[in-house]
Amino acid sequence: DAKTTQPNSMESNEEEPVHLPCNHSTISGTDYIHWYRQLPSQGPEYVIHGLTSNVNNRMASLAIAEDRKSSTLILHRATLRDAAVYYCIPSAGGTSYGKLTFGQGTILTVHP
Amino acid sequence: GAGVSQSPSNKVTEKGKDVELRCDPISGHTALYWYRQRLGQGLEFLIYFQGNSAPDKSGLPSDRFSAERTGESVSTLTIQRTQQEDSAVYLCASSLAPGPYNEQFFGPGTRLTVL
Repeated sequence: DAKTTQPNSMESNEEEPVHLPCNHSTISGTDYIHWYRQLPSQGPEYVIHGLTSNVNNRMASLAIAEDRKSSTLILHRATLRDAAVYYCIPSAGGTSYGKLTFGQGTILTVHP
Repeated sequence: GAGVSQSPSNKVTEKGKDVELRCDPISGHTALYWYRQRLGQGLEFLIYFQGNSAPDKSGLPSDRFSAERTGESVSTLTIQRTQQEDSAVYLCASSLAPGPYNEQFFGPGTRLTVL
């Protein structure tokens, strides 16, 4: 499985954009990049995923570096509800496909 | 629509007892996963079911852990002779199909406390 490096924690103010970085320098060419988040006392929830191109959905945007060794999750306007642990997860194909390997993630604090 | 449900939500047991945890996946989801999350830690993969294929048990920490799934429906995770280090939140997830591009939907988890 590809290794990931994320900041332990980040802070933001409400209604400001947040850029959450992730390094995944050992990612293989067929690994998708998933982002999940876990709100306090809840199970993780899917945020977004991508392979090569930048992706947008109603929750966030995902910017993937051209060499795919890093990606950035972008929350365009943080709300208090976005306070959570954010996990960047390369998801492999082959025999391990579908299995998510969670690291420590980034704890995002949003200030009112 | 209904999401992934798990029961019980909380379980307190004594060391040495057996426990059974239940997961009801989203209807129609063929893939089902169990994870464990110890306090303050990330999730650890335990086991994966896909249809009638042999499960991927590579994450089960010991032979005290086992899991079953009936077809594409309910799954049970059984821990025999529980130990204090088994205390954790056990999370179940399902997805429409296996694959690195499919979203996993997680249940709320079962918090297991072994005294």
